[in-house]
This record gives sequence, structure tokens and C-alpha cells, in this order.
Amino acid sequence: DTEVTQTPKHLVMGMTNKKSLKCEQHMGHRAMYWYKQKAKKPPELMFVYSYEKLSINESVPSRFSPECPNSSLLNLHLHALQPEDSALYLCASSQLAGGPSDTQYFGPGTRLTVL
Amino acid sequence: DQQVKQNSPSLSVQEGRISILNCDYTNSMFDYFLWYKKYPAEGPTFLISISSIKDKNEDGRFTVFLNKSAKHLSLHIVPSQPGDSAVYFCAASAAQKLVFGQGTRLTINP
Repeated sequence: DTEVTQTPKHLVMGMTNKKSLKCEQHMGHRAMYWYKQKAKKPPELMFVYSYEKLSINESVPSRFSPECPNSSLLNLHLHALQPEDSALYLCASSQLAGGPSDTQYFGPGTRLTVL
Repeated sequence: DQQVKQNSPSLSVQEGRISILNCDYTNSMFDYFLWYKKYPAEGPTFLISISSIKDKNEDGRFTVFLNKSAKHLSLHIVPSQPGDSAVYFCAASAAQKLVFGQGTRLTINP
């Protein structure tokens, strides 16, 4: 089983709203990731959590706030977003961040629209 | 600075024939390479991977070849099937980071 689940599937929010994206995996993976994908572009890495600790932040604006409550869950808290933040947000997990042959498995994504 | 490049935005192949998707990279630190298949508004689905210590990996209809000296990898799909129509991303991994190419849209014609 290589399933990563994400909720909600779609989200529409105003620029003053606060919302959260959720990601869950039950594969025993110890690394979890957030990516952002704009239309007709490849996914771009935002954050990496390794053993529930933030290990990489790719200079993401502070209006995006990640959280890893436990090894199975990953959240992305959103506040004061801009319309240009509208994108597909993808969560992924892997067995061991940075290890050899470490394959990332992706969830279906959350389609975010900021009005 | 694009570290992973897929120079063909699209590829059209007849059903039953071989599909060959290409990918080039510039960073010698990449030690693991993957191919993902993606449908619109869905997450990438892992297809096949190869470690930098190998030059070939095969899984059913899918074979990935790695030429380290040329910094080039390719994905071969044979025989191609209509269900293979999708966008294919090449990705390279180093130091916890996965870098994707721009993708190639593969269309399999009946």
C-alpha cells in the first residue's frame, strides 16, 4: 500500500481567511513533504519533515506554516494568502529522507483557489 | 537554472510501438532518479526508478536507462497502450530534495 491521502480535495478561500490542508500516510514513512504545482509546471518543493522535525524550508513565505503533529500527519496552515498562491498543493512521503533509493509517494493534491 | 530538463514537451506514439522519453540533468550530486506519471489535477504516480550505481532497471513494460557520463536518462515503454497517455515527469534526488523536469505529454494513438 502506497497511499497518501489529502483533504480537502478543493479549497476556495479569501485573502483574509485562515485554512489548513491535511495530509496522512500509514506506510510508516519517516519523511513527509509539501510541494506546490502551478499549471503546466513541475512540482516545486516547499518543506521537508524528517522524523517529525522540519529539515528543509525552501524560502517559503511565512503565510504558509507547516506542522507535523506525528509521524503520520502533516498539515499546512494558510493565512493571508495572495491570488498568486492558487495552485495544486501536493503532499508526499518517503521511508527515509535523503537515504539511498528513497522513493517519494504523492497524494492526490488539494486544488487551492485564493480569491 | 534548470537542473533537470525534459526537452520534448510532447510526444505522440502509435499504440503497440515503443515510447521513449528523455531527460537530462546537470547536477553530478544527483544519486537517484525517478519517473512519475501524472494526470491533470492528480498527484504524480511513481512508475520506476534507478540508482546512480546502475545503468538499467526494468519493470514490466517500463525500462529506465541511465548514462551517467552523458548525464542522461530515458524511459522506454513497450508496447505502448492508450492508458499510457499522460504527462511524464523525470525527477532527480540529492540531499533530501527531489527536482522535477518540466514534463513530457505522451499521447498514444490507436
